[in-house]
Amino acid sequence: AQKVTQAQTEISVVEKEDVTLDCVYETRDTTYYLFWYKQPPSGELVFLIRRNSFDEQNEISGRYSWNFQKSTSSFNFTITASQVVDSAVYFCALFSNSGYALNFGKGTSLLVTP
Amino acid sequence: DAGITQSPRHKVTETGTPVTLRCHQTENHRYMYWYRQDPGHGLRLIHYSYGVKDTDKGEVSDGYSVSRSKTEDFLLTLESATSSQTSVYFCAISESQSSGGANEQFFGPGTRLTVL
Repeated sequence: AQKVTQAQTEISVVEKEDVTLDCVYETRDTTYYLFWYKQPPSGELVFLIRRNSFDEQNEISGRYSWNFQKSTSSFNFTITASQVVDSAVYFCALFSNSGYALNFGKGTSLLVTP
Repeated sequence: DAGITQSPRHKVTETGTPVTLRCHQTENHRYMYWYRQDPGHGLRLIHYSYGVKDTDKGEVSDGYSVSRSKTEDFLLTLESATSSQTSVYFCAISESQSSGGANEQFFGPGTRLTVL
C-alpha cells in the first residue's frame, strides 16, 4: 500500500520566520518518486519539485529547500524567511512504478502573516 | 505553463441530472487524469487514461465515467449527479510514467461543481 501523511493540518507563522512542512510516506517499492505541489488561494495547483528514490541529495531553490531521508521515509519542505505570498496549501505526493497515479497527502495549510 | 483547460469552470446543477466536464490539452501528453478535491481529503483520483480509448478506474470512481476519443480531450461524466459529488474537479496531464520514471503531473485550473 502507498500512503502519504502530512500530519500538520495548519501552520501559522509570522513573516520572515522559517517553516518546515513535514511529509512521511509509505511504499513497498524500491523505485518511487516524491513531489510537492503548492495550491495558493486562487486554487490552481503548482508543481514545485520531483525527487526519485535513488537521489537523496537535498535540493535548494531560492528560499525553498527539500530534505529527503529514506531512513525515516520523509521528504520535508522548508521555506526560509517566509513571505505572505507563501500562504497556500502544500501537498506532498508519491508515485511508484507499481501504481498508476499520484497519491496525495491531505495537505498542510500555511498562513504567513505580516 | 502546460496548456490545459477545463470547462466549465463553475457549474451548479440539480440532483439527478447528468453532467459532463471537459479537459482539453495542447501538450500531446499521453496520460490524463481526473481528481476531485474535498476538504480533509486532499486530491483523490477518479479515473485516468493512458491513451486514446484506454481508461481505468481510480480510488473514487463510483458514479463517474470517462471517455477519451482523441489525445487532447478527456471527458468526465456524472450520469446522475448527487450532492456527494459536490467538489472541485481537477484534470491533470503527464508525459509518461514508465522508463525514465514518473513525470510530473500538470494540473488544469479546476472546475467547481455544486449539486443541489
